[in-house]
Amino acid sequence: DAKTTQPNSMESNEEEPVHLPCNHSTISGTDYIHWYRQLPSQGPEYVIHGLTSNVNNRMASLAIAEDRKSSTLILHRATLRDAAVYYCILRRLSSGSARQLTFGSGTQLTVLP
Amino acid sequence: DGGITQSPKYLFRKEGQNVTLSCEQNLNHDAMYWYRQDPGQGLRLIYYSQIVNDFQKGDIAEGYSVSREKKESFPLTVTSAQKNPTAFYLCASSQRDLNNEQFFGPGTRLTVL
Repeated sequence: DAKTTQPNSMESNEEEPVHLPCNHSTISGTDYIHWYRQLPSQGPEYVIHGLTSNVNNRMASLAIAEDRKSSTLILHRATLRDAAVYYCILRRLSSGSARQLTFGSGTQLTVLP
Repeated sequence: DGGITQSPKYLFRKEGQNVTLSCEQNLNHDAMYWYRQDPGQGLRLIYYSQIVNDFQKGDIAEGYSVSREKKESFPLTVTSAQKNPTAFYLCASSQRDLNNEQFFGPGTRLTVL
């Protein structure tokens, strides 16, 4: 599976937008981009996923570059409850029966009051 | 409420003892997964099962065993052959489609003394 690169940590002020970047320069045409987040001492939680077009849901937006070599998770208004580790993950459609998620180290987001 | 339960939340065992971690889901999901997380790291896949009575090894299966006799249950046994069993163990489930989100349980923190 293609690798992703994320900054180790980022800070944001409460009630301001947050842009979390992810580079995936070796992405293939059948790789979906997934984002999960993990609060301290909890299991990860699905945030959003997309293939080519930008995606919005109640939690966040996903902006995908035209060449798909990078993407950005956007939290429109950060709250203290958004402090978590955010994982950017590629899932290949052609990986046959494999359904697992391959997690990197993620980005630790700190939200300042 | 639908979801995934893992028990217990904290578990202590003596070195050399086998221990079984419980994972139950009532989401009617076909696929279930076990991940291990070490401090400051992402998750690594131990085993996964796409259907009852079938399971496959993940990236770090050595020293672990699983069974899938019922759709809703996927217990993980940490055997004495696992060299470094102390970790945070996470169970997840999903529909069989590749790009459906995975739902995670709250995790079990295993400490081997």
